[in-house]
Amino acid sequence: DIQLTQSPSSLSASVGDRVTITCQASQGITKYLNWYQQKPGKAPNLLISAASNLETGVPSRFSGSGSGTDFTFTISSLQPEDIATYYCQQYDNFPYTFGQGTKVEIK
Amino acid sequence: QVQLQESGPGLVKPSETLSLTCSVSGGSMTSYYWSWIRQPPGKGLEWIGYIYYSGAINYNPSLKSRVTISVDTSSNQFSLKLTSVTAADTAVYYCARVPKYCSGGSCWGNVFDVWGQGTLVTVSS
Repeated sequence: DIQLTQSPSSLSASVGDRVTITCQASQGITKYLNWYQQKPGKAPNLLISAASNLETGVPSRFSGSGSGTDFTFTISSLQPEDIATYYCQQYDNFPYTFGQGTKVEIK
Repeated sequence: QVQLQESGPGLVKPSETLSLTCSVSGGSMTSYYWSWIRQPPGKGLEWIGYIYYSGAINYNPSLKSRVTISVDTSSNQFSLKLTSVTAADTAVYYCARVPKYCSGGSCWGNVFDVWGQGTLVTVSS
């Protein structure tokens, strides 16, 4: 199985801060990586597909980059509504796997 | 707008079979994969498997011996059965839609773009 390691596991930042989360794959997955946002008690919501494609309706403060084994997810200006846990997910190989999640809180 | 809704018992006894159904409304099941994903309380997400509308299936090897996913396009539903459950199978179970992605002559699912709200299944006597 491809292991996805997210860093950090949690972070606390102020409104307006730039927030960066990394996702490292245990082997190369080209660009086959997605990012999801999960708010408490809710299903995950797809934000970014294929490493860097912003889904329709997702605010432009969210972005993604990377390829191969190293990927980055960025919130350019943290908003109160961004409080959530963020997950990366690969679809390069079966079984599909998710990172362990990064919990984002407001300082 | 496509919507998914999970249904099934919220409590299952150890060693019995967990059975869930996902009803798809507002769209066709054609040309999509349909997936099950679970999340133990307070933990991360685990992909269980998916089925193409025409019946092709992929399961997570960690669960393959106990899992069956089936689809009934005439009823706009797909289902999950997990046998011989234990407390470790206690989780919120989500169903999700997966568009088909093709590259280099092969096709597979890429994103979980529509999710059900999730249903908590507790395994306990």
